[in-house]
Amino acid sequence: NAGVTQTPKFQVLKTGQSMTLQCAQDMNHNSMYWYRQDPGMGLRLIYYSASEGTTDKGEVPNGYNVSRLNKREFSLRLESAAPSQTSVYFCASRVRLAGGPPYNEQFFGPGTRLTVL
Amino acid sequence: SQQGEEDPQALSIQEGENATMNCSYKTSINNLQWYRQNSGRGLVHLILIRSNEREKHSGRLRVTLDTSKKSSSLLITASRAADTASYFCATDAGVSGGGADGLTFGKGTHLIIQP
Repeated sequence: NAGVTQTPKFQVLKTGQSMTLQCAQDMNHNSMYWYRQDPGMGLRLIYYSASEGTTDKGEVPNGYNVSRLNKREFSLRLESAAPSQTSVYFCASRVRLAGGPPYNEQFFGPGTRLTVL
Repeated sequence: SQQGEEDPQALSIQEGENATMNCSYKTSINNLQWYRQNSGRGLVHLILIRSNEREKHSGRLRVTLDTSKKSSSLLITASRAADTASYFCATDAGVSGGGADGLTFGKGTHLIIQP
C-alpha cells in the first residue's frame, strides 16, 4: 500500500498561472481533504470531499477549486495563482462512517511545496 | 481561524527527560488528535482521544483531555533524539457540530531532544 500520494512534490509558478495538484489514496477511504500549511502555522482546511461525488468548502477555499474524480483521487486546482498561495499543500484521507461522528484518524500525503512568484 | 493553541511553541530537553505539550481549543469536539511532523514531511497520527475519555496511553505517549477546560496535554516519556519533531493537536468537531468535516489544527510545538 502506498497510502496517500501527491504529485508534484515541488512546483514554482508565476503569478496568474494555473496548475492542478493531484492526490490519490489506495486505502478505499471515502473522505478526502486538502489542507495548506504556512510557516509557523498549523494546517488549514481548504476543501473536503466526504464521499465520492460531493465536495464542500473548508476554512480557506478562496482561489481554489477541487474535483473528486473517483473514490481514489481528489485534485486541487489553482486557476490563477497568487503569491499568497505560496504554501505547502497536504492531502489527507480517512474512513468516514455513515451516520456517526468521526472517531478515526486522517492519513496524510507527503505534501506539495508550491512557490508563486 | 485556528481552533487550538499549543503551549509551549518550542521546547528543548535532554534525551531521557519527559516532554509535556499542552493544547487549548475553543469549541465543542467529538475527539482530539495529536500528530507529529518531521521536518519537511507529512503528518503522522499519534493518538486519538474521544470527548468522553479523560486519559489515553500508547507506548511512551500519554494524552489527557479536560473538556470542561477545553484543554489537552501530550506527555512523551523517556524522550529520544528521534522524537525531535513538531507536534500538533487537532480537533474534530464533525459536521454534526455545524462545521466542516475536517480537522482544525493548532500552530504546533517544536520539540528538540538534545542527545
